[in-house]
Formats: sequence, C-alpha cells, structure tokens
Amino acid sequence: EVQLVESGGGLVQLGRSPRLACAASGFNFGDYTLSWVRQPPGKGLEWVGFIRSKLYGGTTEYAASLKGRVTISRDDSKSIVYLQMNSLKSEDTAVYYCTRDFVQYGGSKPHFSYAMDVWGRGTTVTVSS
Amino acid sequence: QSALTQPPSASGSPGQSVTISCTGTGRDIDFYKYVSWYQQHPGKAPKLLIYEVTERPSGVPDRFSGSKSGNTASLTVSGLQAEDEADYYCYAYAGNERVFGTGTKVTV
Repeated sequence: EVQLVESGGGLVQLGRSPRLACAASGFNFGDYTLSWVRQPPGKGLEWVGFIRSKLYGGTTEYAASLKGRVTISRDDSKSIVYLQMNSLKSEDTAVYYCTRDFVQYGGSKPHFSYAMDVWGRGTTVTVSS
Repeated sequence: QSALTQPPSASGSPGQSVTISCTGTGRDIDFYKYVSWYQQHPGKAPKLLIYEVTERPSGVPDRFSGSKSGNTASLTVSGLQAEDEADYYCYAYAGNERVFGTGTKVTV
C-alpha cells in the first residue's frame, strides 16, 4: 500500500526549530518529488515547498512567504523527507501534510502532472508562548 | 505568489450540479495546463479529484469534471450526493512555485 506518515508535531515553544519527518512506503521513493503543505486551524491549504528527485537534481523550491525559515531535505536510503522549520511563530500553528507528486510512468519518459496524488494524514504543530 | 481566488461557499440539492471557479493572477492558470482540484472532508487529508485541468485519477467518479477558460479554472460536481459535502481547493503550477486556491465549502 502506498503510504506517507508524518511525525514530529506537537506543542512547540515560540522561537524553537523543530524538524518534521515523513516516512514513505509502497513506492519507489527516490523517483518522486515530495512536497509539504500546511493548514492552519479552520483555514485553507498553503503550499510550503517541495524537493525534486535526485534524478532532477534533488533541488528545492519554497513559498516566498516562508523562504529562509524552512528547509526540505530527503534521505532516499530511508525513504524519508524532512521539513526543518526555524524560529517558529504563532502563525506556524497548523496541520502539516506530506504529499507525493503525481507522475505517470510507462512511456519513454515520465509524465509529470504537477498534482499531489498521495497525502499523509498530517502532523499537528501547535506553537505555544 | 498570491492565492488563487475561489468563492467561499456553494450549495445545491441532491441530484443538482454545482460549479466552483478558481481565478488566477495571470502567471499561473492562464499560462499552464497544470491545474488540479482536491476534496477535503472535515478532519481528513485532501484527496486528488482532477489533474491537468480535466483529467480524473482512477477511482474518481465521472460526476467530477474540470475545465479552464483563460485565467479561470472550474470544477463541476454533477448529480450531487450527500458525501460531496466538503471543502474543495484548486491548485496550480506556477513555474517553480505552486499555489492553492482559497477554498470553497460545498453544502448539499
């Protein structure tokens, strides 16, 4: 079964720098771009950033509003993607989801759809003062 | 990159259709074909409904359909059912950035 499971959330003090993790199973982790999406309580979804597969450089892109405060990394040997958050603010309180980019294999080259076809259940980060 | 604009709410009776719009800023929906839609029930993770404007992943009923005209994408839910009551989000690829819509709560 294709699955993503986030961990590392909880009650975190203002200004701290937690690291969230997302463990993948059921698919070739190294072939995929992985993203983080967050959702503050009662609000909409916000794209945080993504990390490409090593085949495409393993590079990262981040939302402009968060650039400099978050870092996404991956360990393909463990099938884990991480979200390092720095200097937490109260507005960082949210459910954090890990997602997989939808890629179709089967032709001469992979077809990227730039959508998210697999989501984890999320991990909740609550920033306390 | 600003959020894509969606109406806050939409509603319809069982069996009717409802259409949700998603308007971009010109650097996203207008230029790219990579618009997707997600359904989210309370307390649950979002689920992919539509990708590349009009395509449905396997397992998604054909009651859900997508379209795009200029800078506005749309999701239509036909033959509304009680389980369609949820929040719906559009999402677009804008080069190296991605952006979600503001979300629409559909009431059946």
